[in-house]
Amino acid sequence: EVQLLDSGGGLVQPGGSLRLSCAAFGFTFSSYAMTWVRQAPGKGLEWVSSISGDGGTTYYADSVKGRFTISRDKSKNTLHLQMNSLRAEDTAVYYCAKDLGWGGATRIWDRWGQGTLVTVSS
Amino acid sequence: DIQMTQSPSSMSASVGDRVIIACRASQTVSTFLNWYQHKPGKAPKLLIFAASSLYSGVPSRFSGSGSGTDFTLTISSLQPEDFATYYCQQSYSAPGTFGQGTKLEIK
Repeated sequence: EVQLLDSGGGLVQPGGSLRLSCAAFGFTFSSYAMTWVRQAPGKGLEWVSSISGDGGTTYYADSVKGRFTISRDKSKNTLHLQMNSLRAEDTAVYYCAKDLGWGGATRIWDRWGQGTLVTVSS
Repeated sequence: DIQMTQSPSSMSASVGDRVIIACRASQTVSTFLNWYQHKPGKAPKLLIFAASSLYSGVPSRFSGSGSGTDFTLTISSLQPEDFATYYCQQSYSAPGTFGQGTKLEIK
């Protein structure tokens, strides 16, 4: 069974850093693009970042470009999001999500983690 | 970026009702349109992809239609577990933008 387990969220001061992780189970991790999506309090879903199956290509929303880094560890079947220079507006629940398509990025996300809460506040 | 607009933003309905949620794209997305269901504290769930394809395990009371810029999600007979927020999302071009969501509440 496909499972995604998000972790790493917490309370951090503005300007601080946090590293999110997403452990993947039940599928060939390296064959699928992976994505982070967030939901700020009272707001809708917002795409944050994606990475190709081989890790060679990454994509970022303009709002996080230069501050966030997405990566994947194929030996541990784990996706990461390194978040630096955090701002109050980064406060959100962060979800990792698996791409529907084998081999390529379809931008259709068929399985999601349960989410991890990031709160940026002094 | 392509903008997605859903209507209504919220609605109330009763168990057994037929519900239709609309989604409009700011430019054509062909049939690269997906629908998700999201309940508080839970992982979002993919319901419909490619405008009208039902994702594995999703009940047949859910259906999608449309192409180009205008799309609809229909729930033929609302069940208690269907009360949630629904999002459309375009996968035609990066980034895969979402609509603002439609919150479906119990009347």
